[in-house]
Amino acid sequence: DAGVIQSPRHEVTEMGQEVTLRCKPISGHNSLFWYRQTMMRGLELLIYFNNNVPIDDSGMPEDRFSAKMPNASFSTLKIQPSEPRDSAVYFCASSFSGTGNTGELFFGEGSRLTVL
Amino acid sequence: GDSVTQMEGPVTLSEEAFLTINCTYTATGYPSLFWYVQYPGEGLQLLLKATKADDKGSNKGFEATYRKETTSFHLEKGSVQVSDSAVYFCALSDSGGYQKVTFGTGTKLQVIP
Repeated sequence: DAGVIQSPRHEVTEMGQEVTLRCKPISGHNSLFWYRQTMMRGLELLIYFNNNVPIDDSGMPEDRFSAKMPNASFSTLKIQPSEPRDSAVYFCASSFSGTGNTGELFFGEGSRLTVL
Repeated sequence: GDSVTQMEGPVTLSEEAFLTINCTYTATGYPSLFWYVQYPGEGLQLLLKATKADDKGSNKGFEATYRKETTSFHLEKGSVQVSDSAVYFCALSDSGGYQKVTFGTGTKLQVIP
């Protein structure tokens, strides 16, 4: 089975532009997580979904960030407008949450965003 | 809320040295505990896990024991290799319905020949 698939792998854009990152979770998983990783702040949880419903978005930095999960096989993280401080690696992860499961996460390879 | 504290890095060891990376946690209920590893340029991947007190997780020569009395889950390896150079994250998954995962800050390990 394919792992978590993220696109694009690398994105370079200019300040003020809209950025959309995409994630396809592992088939059958019902939880999806978006993380941001920087040298300064480490790994930060931005938002997570369960059964396509946002459960906790308290980690979303500000209104410029938004995330959607229209169906079980696709999620997007959008930044509009982007700023240089948004430069980071953004990871998507999925898991199966339920009775008897331990919540092990499966990560994608990340999307490296550079905002000039 | 839940939290994970792990030792600051970077940790630099010579090949074949003994490794310990300390991890302690704060959580309600009975969390599952994990160590994830991140190699350069890659995403995190599960290294080992333990789901209840006194369980020992092991993989690739790494071990960690779930100690409820000390709320710890220290990572150990008897003889590290250059290929073990990576960032190691301790994490817990809460026992609630959504099984939210909380990560530590990560510890960078560099093994020199």
